[in-house]
Amino acid sequence: NAGVTQTPKFRVLKTGQSMTLLCAQDMNHEYMYWYRQDPGMGLRLIHYSVGEGTTAKGEVPDGYNVSRLKKQNFLLGLESAAPSQTSVYFCASSYDGTSGYEQYFGPGTRLTVT
Amino acid sequence: KQEVTQIPAALSVPEGENLVLNCSFTDSAIYNLQWFRQDPGKGLTSLLLIQSSQREQTSGRLNASLDKSSGRSTLYIAASQPGDSATYLCAVHFSGNTGKLIFGQGTTLQVKP
Repeated sequence: NAGVTQTPKFRVLKTGQSMTLLCAQDMNHEYMYWYRQDPGMGLRLIHYSVGEGTTAKGEVPDGYNVSRLKKQNFLLGLESAAPSQTSVYFCASSYDGTSGYEQYFGPGTRLTVT
Repeated sequence: KQEVTQIPAALSVPEGENLVLNCSFTDSAIYNLQWFRQDPGKGLTSLLLIQSSQREQTSGRLNASLDKSSGRSTLYIAASQPGDSATYLCAVHFSGNTGKLIFGQGTTLQVKP
């Protein structure tokens, strides 16, 4: 049981390049989330999904897109990377409200945009 | 606006001390509150989850309490050890937010041998 895994662990992009971050969970969780963590700003929700085929905007969605084609995977895309997107990105997953929405986090992806 | 605040931002204590970390939130209508631990360069590890109907939760040397009416939660760590050194994050699931957590800025704890 690997829990929540994220790929890649580190990445350096040039401004304007695109990339996709992959999150996978093996706990059969309905809900999945993407956060970014920045010094002085804490963790902020980018996008989330309440089930396969669904996505919704969080607090800071601009510049990002997401897809949830399979229940176990949640992809975060950057179409045209900007230096302001330099951050550590965390994925999390949870059951629905009947189990209290307790969230489990992945190890993070450290992204630098130059 | 729904906000979560953690004070102090940093705390240094000698090994063996009992200590309390504080978390306050602006809206008493919450679904639950979750405490996490984050080691440098690592992800978040869930420590305790308190449902809105509960007053406290315990796990080993950790005890978390919840007082919705005053908008406060505390994380009590008994007999602190150097291995407890980490950043502790409080996150609140406000009612109506469908699973979304609002995080505090965290308290960075250093336990000195």
